[in-house]
Amino acid sequence: QKEVEQNSGPLSVPEGAIASLNCTYSDRVSQSFFWYRQYSGKSPELIMSIYSNGDKEDGRFTAQLNKASQYVSLLIRDSQPSDSATYLCAVISLNAGGTSYGKLTFGQGTILTVHP
Amino acid sequence: GAGVSQSPRYKVAKRGQDVALRCDPISGHVSLFWYQQALGQGPEFLTYFQNEAQLDKSGLPSDRFFAERPEGSVSTLKIQRTQQEDSAVYLCASSLAVQAAVGNTIYFGEGSWLTVV
Repeated sequence: QKEVEQNSGPLSVPEGAIASLNCTYSDRVSQSFFWYRQYSGKSPELIMSIYSNGDKEDGRFTAQLNKASQYVSLLIRDSQPSDSATYLCAVISLNAGGTSYGKLTFGQGTILTVHP
Repeated sequence: GAGVSQSPRYKVAKRGQDVALRCDPISGHVSLFWYQQALGQGPEFLTYFQNEAQLDKSGLPSDRFFAERPEGSVSTLKIQRTQQEDSAVYLCASSLAVQAAVGNTIYFGEGSWLTVV
């Protein structure tokens, strides 16, 4: 079982709709959660980070974290064609010694297409 | 520099050839990571440096892979006797601090695209 799993996609939504991206993780000591956007041929770009249970909103993006269910999601409101990209969920977990140096474990990515 | 710089951006290697990929992190960044991203997959961790010390190389897929950061700044990922399965994008990332603290952003380079033929 992969440590970080994303809904398989690809996901296609019309312009102006809400896109919902989901991610589950297996390591209960995961501490930090991230959503990256990756355009084709480009490097991952951080769009959201979340560290505590609940919702975090930033413009059209809302990240939701539920540590009990080991679930993190990203909602994109008023989707635009420029949002078309691969979205990567990533987590940082603690080492055996209870510390972390920031090693990211990524899911396989979900391809989102927003059509006009 | 302003961002993480990687070179070469594109490399075509014949099977069995050795390759070296360079990463120039953001100036002053303590932490440096290498990731491998196969087509259609998320990045997979290869190795981590804190300054010049390689603290984690658990993700290196075989002893053909070797990384170094001798002066705590520029890093080189070397792949010996390349195989077709080594074809991937190799991403370098750096961050200012050591701990994964809130706000300690990890910055990615544009990647080195390796194709082994």
